[in-house]
Amino acid sequence: DAGVIQSPRHEVTEMGQEVTLRCKPISGHDYLFWYRQTMMRGLELLIYFNNNVPIDDSGMPEDRFSAKMPNASFSTLKIQPSEPRDSAVYFCASTKGEIEAQHFGDGTRLSIL
Amino acid sequence: DQQVKQNSPSLSVQEGRISILNCDYTNSMFDYFLWYKKYPAEGPTFLISISSIKDKNEDGRFTVFLNKSAKHLSLHIVPSQPGDSAVYFCAASSGRDDKIIFGKGTRLHILP
Repeated sequence: DAGVIQSPRHEVTEMGQEVTLRCKPISGHDYLFWYRQTMMRGLELLIYFNNNVPIDDSGMPEDRFSAKMPNASFSTLKIQPSEPRDSAVYFCASTKGEIEAQHFGDGTRLSIL
Repeated sequence: DQQVKQNSPSLSVQEGRISILNCDYTNSMFDYFLWYKKYPAEGPTFLISISSIKDKNEDGRFTVFLNKSAKHLSLHIVPSQPGDSAVYFCAASSGRDDKIIFGKGTRLHILP
C-alpha cells in the first residue's frame, strides 16, 4: 500500500523563482497537512485541508506561499517568489480523521540560493 | 511563542539503559499528546499518544507519562536499543480532530 508521496525529493533553485511542491495523500484519507521543518522553528504546520477544503492556513508565513487541493488525490504548495529563508524540508501528511494516524511523506528538501 | 517545548536538543544514552525524553507545554487547552519518531531523510512516524484523562500509557518498551499540573510529559524507552537512535518530536492537540503543534525535537543517540 503506497504511503504519502511527495515530489520532488530535492529542489535547488535561485532566489526569485517559483517553486511548486507536490503531494499525493494516501487513498481514502480526508485530511491533508503541509508542514515545514527548520532548525530554528522545528516542525511547524503551514496549512491543512479537510475534504479538499482549506481549514486553517494561519501557519502560512506570508502571501508568497499558497496551497491548493484540487481533488482528493493531489495537493500543491507553491512559493512565488522564493527567498533563501524559505530553505527547509517540507512535509506533507494525510490521515482519515484520526490525529495520531497522520502519515507523513518523506519530505522535499528545498534549497533557495 | 512556543506552545510545546523540548528543551534538550540532544541526548546520549547507553544501549540497554533507560532513555527519558522530556516535553513541556504552555497551553492548558491541550488535551491530547503524541510522540513521533523521525529517522534521517524520512518523515516522522507516530509512536505513542496519551489523553489528558490518563497519566500513563504504555506500549511495549515505550511509556509516556503526563503530569497535567506541571504541564509536563515524558517518554521513557526501556531498554534502549540502537534502532531507537532518531529525532523524537513531542506534539499536542486541543481536540482529537484539531491540528497538532509540534516541539522542535530531541535527537537521541544510543551508544554501544
